[in-house]
Amino acid sequence: GENVEQHPSTLSVQEGDSAVIKCTYSDSASNYFPWYKQELGKGPQLIIDIRSNVGEKKDQRIAVTLNKTAKHFSLHITETQPEDSAVYFCAAGKGANNLFFGTGTRLTVIP
Amino acid sequence: KAGVTQTPRYLIKTRGQQVTLSCSPISGHRSVSWYQQTPGQGLQFLFEYFSETQRNKGNFPGRFSGRQFSNSRSEMNVSTLELGDSALYLCASSPRVDEKLFFGSGTQLSVL
Repeated sequence: GENVEQHPSTLSVQEGDSAVIKCTYSDSASNYFPWYKQELGKGPQLIIDIRSNVGEKKDQRIAVTLNKTAKHFSLHITETQPEDSAVYFCAAGKGANNLFFGTGTRLTVIP
Repeated sequence: KAGVTQTPRYLIKTRGQQVTLSCSPISGHRSVSWYQQTPGQGLQFLFEYFSETQRNKGNFPGRFSGRQFSNSRSEMNVSTLELGDSALYLCASSPRVDEKLFFGSGTQLSVL
């Protein structure tokens, strides 16, 4: 089955700096790559996703890049704010309904 | 539009008991998926339902089961509870198959 690895497990950045989280996947048949943000006591919230026919997608301060050849994808958050502090999960799957998740990155934005 | 609603929010059971968790998807969403989240194993896929039919099942023992009703609401059941079943159980819905998943806040199950 699919195996998703996520790095780093923790990340601290100064407010206003950029944050980058990286994931690799093992199954070349995976074609859907979402990123979720989870705050304490809440369920994961979808922040951005990308399909395998696209190399990059951007939504305001958040961007995701996908390298199908190398089987890795990354989340980029620019101009970080304290409210960006949370745990971020990457996921991969053959479609959106059976996802394999990474182990999470705890992002702390220091004011 | 209301989000995915899961009840109850917290649950405490003892080993050997069974439990039923409930999920109401976002209005108009017909696909429901369930995930288990633990500190050790992370987020793991349990099963997915669409139009009352189970489409996919993850690698969990038969003690874990689910169903979906005609109004798209879903329940999952865990029988003969074990200590290791303590986890946050998350339900997610999407309008149709292979569309973005929206998660609820989960049911925190503690097995003593």
